[in-house]
Amino acid sequence: EAQVTQNPRYLITVTGKKLTVTCSQNMNHEYMSWYRQDPGLGLRQIYYSMNVEVTDKGDVPEGYKVSRKEKRNFPLILESPSPNQTSLYFCASSSTPPQETQYFGPGTRLLVL
Amino acid sequence: AQKITQTQPGMFVQEKEAVTLDCTYDTSDPSYGLFWYKQPSSGEMIFLIYQGSYDQQNATEGRYSLNFQKARKSANLVISASQLGDSAMYFCAMREGLQGAQKLVFGQGTRLTINP
Repeated sequence: EAQVTQNPRYLITVTGKKLTVTCSQNMNHEYMSWYRQDPGLGLRQIYYSMNVEVTDKGDVPEGYKVSRKEKRNFPLILESPSPNQTSLYFCASSSTPPQETQYFGPGTRLLVL
Repeated sequence: AQKITQTQPGMFVQEKEAVTLDCTYDTSDPSYGLFWYKQPSSGEMIFLIYQGSYDQQNATEGRYSLNFQKARKSANLVISASQLGDSAMYFCAMREGLQGAQKLVFGQGTRLTINP
């Protein structure tokens, strides 16, 4: 089954404790992206990757890091989480033809105390 | 300036009625794509329908159709014969350009409630 998986699905942590949210896709997609969703703001892009070892900032990259060492994986790293990073996070992937939609993972709910 | 505007924070519709969710967009790029996603209370993002800027006909997918009015920069979602399971948040999104980053820019969403 074609899918995007994220782990963990739910996470409660404390300020400053480094965490990683994993994202994996099994569709051999080149393009992967991270979004955060906050009430009243829709989804905003954090980082994206066009292919292995190619990453770039989205609209709200501050406080986040990413890496793309393998095509299927695109982890999101919060080196020192803060309460304003409490949010719902989505990973998405797509192939390069422009008409392809982005397939979203199930989301990760993060609470930073 | 907002690139995607959804002016209806919430809508209430009777079951079996048709419903139109509004979306206007702003871009100077001649090549773009417009998407609608559904987000039920469980949280996942479900792709509904896509319209390319060069598509001559309005997109349709089952009960969903996209009323694409290019000159007005409007891409409204029409759901025919609404069902209780259609109750959810709906997001309009746009991708600009053919090459480069495939970033989706999202609107703020419309919460649709279907009443029995």
